[in-house]
Amino acid sequence: QQPVQSPQAVILREGEDAVINCSSSKALYSVHWYRQKHGEAPVFLMILLKGGEQKGHDKISASFNEKKQQSSLYLTASQLSYSGTYFCGTAVQAGTALIFGKGTTLSVSS
Amino acid sequence: NAGVTQTPKFQVLKTGQSMTLQCAQDMNHEYMSWYRQDPGMGLRLIHYSVGAGITDQGEVPNGYNVSRSTTEDFPLRLLSAAPSQTSVYFCASSYVTSGRHEQYFGPGTRLTVT
Repeated sequence: QQPVQSPQAVILREGEDAVINCSSSKALYSVHWYRQKHGEAPVFLMILLKGGEQKGHDKISASFNEKKQQSSLYLTASQLSYSGTYFCGTAVQAGTALIFGKGTTLSVSS
Repeated sequence: NAGVTQTPKFQVLKTGQSMTLQCAQDMNHEYMSWYRQDPGMGLRLIHYSVGAGITDQGEVPNGYNVSRSTTEDFPLRLLSAAPSQTSVYFCASSYVTSGRHEQYFGPGTRLTVT
């Protein structure tokens, strides 16, 4: 049930790029991405709906491949502020429970 | 708007005690949910509600009860606390509109059961 995220951890230097993947064995209606800083609550980044749309938010963008039930989060030219744990959440229908993956920890150093 | 509020922020319980974690939101969101977060396990859904009077179980519901008598409040009750329930608990809420239900999380309650 829980979506699978990969990799578990990423270590970057400022300016480098990273890709975080999220895959599900179920047919998805939507994929949600959140970032959590240590000791804080998760913060919403973006939602992707079935239909294969791609979205962007500053230098962070994401795609959703409906055929593969897979979403990818792209972080380009990483900044120190990008450090944290990234979670994908998946829903099989509109208005249903959001199930999260185990997270990917991103560490960006100068 | 206060957003999603949770009380208490910290709590220590003895095994067998019961307590209620409070969650309230002032955004008129239909959907509310409770998650627990343990190291390496991500956010696991305990219970959720799509409106007042409607609740359903999530991934890890055992040992927890919920009710939703108003749109604003969604308390989580621990019936008989166990050390395995030591965790950080997050409440979240969202609209249920065209599937675009971005969830807003409360600040969390850190619970320790001894």
